[in-house]
This record gives sequence, structure tokens and C-alpha cells, in this order.
Amino acid sequence: DGGITQSPKYLFRKEGQNVTLSCEQNLNHDAMYWYRQDPGQGLRLIYYSQIVNDFQKGDIAEGYSVSREKKESFPLTVTSAQKNPTAFYLCASSIALEFNNSPLHFGNGTRLTVT
Amino acid sequence: AQSVTQLGSHVSVSEGALVLLRCNYSSSVPPYLFWYVQYPNQGLQLLLKYTTGATLVKGINGFEAEFKKSETSFHLTKPSAHMSDAAEYFCAVSRSGGYQKVTFGIGTKLQVIP
Repeated sequence: DGGITQSPKYLFRKEGQNVTLSCEQNLNHDAMYWYRQDPGQGLRLIYYSQIVNDFQKGDIAEGYSVSREKKESFPLTVTSAQKNPTAFYLCASSIALEFNNSPLHFGNGTRLTVT
Repeated sequence: AQSVTQLGSHVSVSEGALVLLRCNYSSSVPPYLFWYVQYPNQGLQLLLKYTTGATLVKGINGFEAEFKKSETSFHLTKPSAHMSDAAEYFCAVSRSGGYQKVTFGIGTKLQVIP
């Protein structure tokens, strides 16, 4: 079955360490996204990518970085510069960026806890 | 700019009762509207979407939503709640014409009381 795989499901890190969250899709979608979810705040867009080797900042990109070296993969690095990194992170994909009527397909998320 | 307002961060209904989750949007051009559902510690999955055409949209699990342009609303309903409907529901909007990121509401947690 096609879908999006995020790993790991739970991640614990010490403050000051960078950490990378994995996201892989086999839906053959061009567009991929990273969202952050905090209680009572809905989903906020961190980064998105239209195509391989291209990505754009979303609303809350500070303290995060991404890469898109392969169509299937869009890893997110949470750097030590991110002031409040503890959150639930969701990766998503869609057919293409310009098809605004296409729904997003989501992975099952990674819950990051930084202490 | 576009925005979504979900009225009521928590809604409780009895099993078998009507479910009504409210969503109002603002958009300067015709919107595309979506409802997603999220079960605990999982990602979001699409319930239904409105793009163009029929204003009453049927989705999965017996849910439906009606697009009302005059009221800028896209409320989600289900005639009879089931225990398995307990989850968080998100309304989302995007716009036609070029890429516009999807804007999500803050979500409504639905509790179903036996």
C-alpha cells in the first residue's frame, strides 16, 4: 500500500542537540510538507518542497532545516537554535504544489521531546 | 489572506446523537475546503473535500458537510454519533489560482458519551 512513513514514532533528545526526523513516501507525489502540531494551535507549516532539490520556508522555519535529494524523501532537522522543539511533527505529501484542490496525505507523526 | 475558524475546541455528544462541528472560512477567491480527522497519536486523514459543484459533500464514515457561500461556512455533520467517532477534527482551506498553502483551523475534539 502507498503511504507516508515517518520514523521514529517517539524521539527523546537533550537540549542543544540536533535531531533529524525521517519522512519517506511511495505515493509518487511531487510536493512534500512538514507541519508542527501543538495543543490548541492546529497545524503550522515549517517547510515545503515542490520538487527535488527545491524547498521553501513556511510560517515557522526558524530553527529547522530540510533537504530534498530524492523525490521520496524529505527529512527534517530540528537544530539547537529551535527554542521550543518539543512537539508532534507531521510530514505530508500531495500530488503537486499547484493542485490546491488535492488533499494532503499524512504520515503518523513523530513525537519529539527535548529535555 | 485566508483563515479558518472552528467554533468550539471541545464538543461532547451522546452516542446516537447528531454531530455538528462548525467551520467558518474567509477567502477572497473561491475556496477549496477540507475536513480531516485525527485519532490519538496518528496523522490526519481526509474525511471529505469541497472543490466545485455540489454544495453538499459526502465523506467517509457517514460524515457530510455543506458549503454555504452566503454564510462562509462548511459545517461537518453526522446524523448519529458512534463511539469510534471520538477524535479531533480539523477544517482546512486553500485557494484556487496558483499555489496557496493550506490553512488549518485549531481543531475540535469530539467526545462521544456512551
